[in-house]
Amino acid sequence: AQSVAQPEDQVNVAEGNPLTVKCTYSVSGNPYLFWYVQYPNRGLQFLLKYITGDNLVKGSYGFEAEFNKSQTSFHLKKPSALVSDSALYFCAVRGADNFNKFYFGSGTKLNVKP
Amino acid sequence: GAVVSQHPSWVICKSGTSVKIECRSLDFQATTMFWYRQFPKQSLMLMATSNEGSKATYEQGVEKDKFLINHASLTLSTLTVTSAHPEDSSFYICSARDGNSRAYEQYFGPGTRLTVT
Repeated sequence: AQSVAQPEDQVNVAEGNPLTVKCTYSVSGNPYLFWYVQYPNRGLQFLLKYITGDNLVKGSYGFEAEFNKSQTSFHLKKPSALVSDSALYFCAVRGADNFNKFYFGSGTKLNVKP
Repeated sequence: GAVVSQHPSWVICKSGTSVKIECRSLDFQATTMFWYRQFPKQSLMLMATSNEGSKATYEQGVEKDKFLINHASLTLSTLTVTSAHPEDSSFYICSARDGNSRAYEQYFGPGTRLTVT
């Protein structure tokens, strides 16, 4: 079975400070991991993915994520948060038994205060 | 590239009527499309996987006769909510898989807000 856990329902950070949104996963074989962002009443926008290669993956809007195999984590990070980063963030893993199926975490609401 | 559109973006219908939602991949061919449902402040729930030219595969607990899915072409999938009831009110999101991507990544549409009165 595969699953994704986002342990924080909400993350609060001041503008200009670094941010981290946590994600841990469980899947057999090599993980294919994704981060998406959702603004109110909108669909999901792709931020970045990890397939193989460097553990630090760079994505859209200045976001990056660090893959840690030993800790089965894929935390999303940004060095300096913007108020416009406030949104709902979802981590996802591709299914090992069904490549078409994505398993999403419960989402983390990021609040960036000016 | 990799743009997915949905139409309509929001719809209000009366209980007992049917509503059709369209999902289109605009600049790539999507042999596989997915339909998700999202309740307020919750994650996405996969409803079904739609394959072009064949029957959709529904997730456990999703009524196939209520949520009719048709994937008539490589760029269009439709979801019809039949005999809608207020409990069907939700945010419906489609996604499409780029068949050329080995990561099987999915690109999501902007969503459709359905309200059944």
